Amino acid sequence: AQSVTQLDSQVPVFEEAPVELRCNYSSSVSVYLFWYVQYPNQGLQLLLKYLSGSTLVESINGFEAEFNKSQTSFHLRKPSVHISDTAEYFCAVSVRFGRAGGGNKLTFGTGTQLKVEL
Amino acid sequence: DTAVSQTPKYLVTQMGNDKSIKCEQNLGHDTMYWYKQDSKKFLKIMFSYNNKELIINETVPNRFSPKSPDKAHLNLHINSLELGDSAVYFCASSQSRGPGDTQYFGPGTRLTVL
Repeated sequence: AQSVTQLDSQVPVFEEAPVELRCNYSSSVSVYLFWYVQYPNQGLQLLLKYLSGSTLVESINGFEAEFNKSQTSFHLRKPSVHISDTAEYFCAVSVRFGRAGGGNKLTFGTGTQLKVEL
Repeated sequence: DTAVSQTPKYLVTQMGNDKSIKCEQNLGHDTMYWYKQDSKKFLKIMFSYNNKELIINETVPNRFSPKSPDKAHLNLHINSLELGDSAVYFCASSQSRGPGDTQYFGPGTRLTVL
């Protein structure tokens, strides 16, 4: 079975400061990795995902995450945050080669609340 | 246009009642999901359908019954509601059942059982 650990439940940061949200996963098989963002009172939106290839993936709004297989991590970073980045961020994994017909089951971490302050 | 929509947005009901939540996606996706988000914001998958076929059924009480009349709709019916069913329920869809596919989430239905 897979599991995802997000050690930081809350991360307060000042606007224009850099931020890193940590994500570690555990799996006996290869996984795909995702970061989803949930703005207040909304559903989740995909921020970025790692499937294969370059271990550094970027989103359109300046976030990036790096897949580190040896450390089983997929930390999310942004060099300069904005007030509008205030949201809950979820790291998730899905099994790369699930059993036939197994479907796309996302296993989520417990989320990190990013609070950007002026 | 809303890609994944859910109705109702809020649902307040008494213990023991039966209620349904509806979900529709206009993305042309083949696969749909139901997730439950508890009060601590932990998200857990409940069910997944692919082209009206049930493909994921997690350990969910059989009081919860999903129904997919066509691949654009996945409804969730809950019998004999309990206090512990209070949560936010999210519907999602993806192009296929592939594990790398992006899932698109609806806005959620906040269920409160009194």
